[in-house]
Amino acid sequence: NAGVTQTPKFRVLKTGQSMTLLCAQDMNHEYMYWYRQDPGMGLRLIHYSVGEGTTAKGEVPDGYNVSRLKKQNFLLGLESAAPSQTSVYFCASSYGWLAGVRETQYFGPGTRLLVL
Amino acid sequence: GESVGLHLPTLSVQEGDNSIINCAYSNSASDYFIWYKQESGKGPQFIIDIRSNMDKRQGQRVTVLLNKTVKHLSLQIAATQPGDSAVYFCAEKEKGAQKLVFGQGTRLTINP
Repeated sequence: NAGVTQTPKFRVLKTGQSMTLLCAQDMNHEYMYWYRQDPGMGLRLIHYSVGEGTTAKGEVPDGYNVSRLKKQNFLLGLESAAPSQTSVYFCASSYGWLAGVRETQYFGPGTRLLVL
Repeated sequence: GESVGLHLPTLSVQEGDNSIINCAYSNSASDYFIWYKQESGKGPQFIIDIRSNMDKRQGQRVTVLLNKTVKHLSLQIAATQPGDSAVYFCAEKEKGAQKLVFGQGTRLTINP
């Protein structure tokens, strides 16, 4: 049971390039999330999904797109990278907000992205 | 908008002492609170959570206290160890919402 895994661990992009970050979870969780974390700051929600085939915007969605084609995977795309998107990206998953069920989000190890 | 914040950005304690990390929240509609620990270069790790119908919850060496009257959340770590050095985040969820709102974090450092 690997939990939440993220690919790649580190990436350097030039301004204008595109890339996709992959998140995978093997806990059969319904909900998945993408966050970004900047130095000295907390986690800010980019997009999230409450089930296969669904996505929703979070706090800072601009410049990112997501897809949830399979329940276990959640992809984060940057169509045209900008230096402001330099950050550490974390994926998380949870069973969802069901009464009586632990709603803990489990996090992956993060992807460090540098945009030059 | 409403947000979760922390009183102190850094906290230094002596090894073996108890640590208390505080968190203020402003959303009176929040019904679920959670503490995460993040070590350098790693993702946040769940520590303990509490629902709004409780005032206190205990885990192994950790206790979370919730004071809804003043909208205050605290994490107490007993007999702090070097391995407790990390950034601690509180987060809250509004009733009916599908996402957490995180605070900025408190860095806990342990003095030998």
